[in-house]
Amino acid sequence: GPKVLQIPSHQIIDMGQMVTLNCDPVSNHLYFYWYKQILGQQMEFLVNFYNGKVMEKSKLFKDQFSVERPDGSYFTLKIQPTALEDSAVYFCASSSRLGASYEQYFGPGTRLTVL
Amino acid sequence: GDSVTQTEGQVALSEEDFLTIHCNYSASGYPTLFWYVQYPGEGPQLLFRASRDKEKGSSRGFEATYDKGTTSFHLRKASVQESDSAVYYCALSDRTNAYKVIFGKGTHLHVLP
Repeated sequence: GPKVLQIPSHQIIDMGQMVTLNCDPVSNHLYFYWYKQILGQQMEFLVNFYNGKVMEKSKLFKDQFSVERPDGSYFTLKIQPTALEDSAVYFCASSSRLGASYEQYFGPGTRLTVL
Repeated sequence: GDSVTQTEGQVALSEEDFLTIHCNYSASGYPTLFWYVQYPGEGPQLLFRASRDKEKGSSRGFEATYDKGTTSFHLRKASVQESDSAVYYCALSDRTNAYKVIFGKGTHLHVLP
């Protein structure tokens, strides 16, 4: 089936540094999402993105977070500066359209550890 | 806000046992309900969905029936196999939440040979 790729699979950085998580979505998909899963907790929605703009973001999407997809390349999540509580697995997803009938395809996640 | 509750965090069964994982939801609208499965090193993948009361979703021998009265969508399989070992997530999505997927905490299923 369609695959979403995420790079890197693991990232370890020091608190206060900047990090960029990369997502290669399914090729003809137009809607992109980030979800965050802290160890032992449920996966939670961060943000969705369409046509170059953030459509909706949750309260977890702090001011230090930003997303973009320049020129149809990777869909990225940037955190600047990072904090200890940003340690989690971040999942990217994409879908062809918006709606519960349109499956969101998830990547394998990037495990971020902030020291 | 909308939420999904899975009561079992871990389930350990032997091959050919019957599986039930309980899922209850709370939603202000009329959500679509999902079961996702996640294997080690992979992201969640859709197992099946149901959009209407009394609708049954099914795939690979797994099934669940949308029950609006009890706000439940319990996952069942008559005879599990070792290859079914994975994490199972119940989830919902609806227009009132801009179609973001709201997940339960997940149930880790271990099937012993």
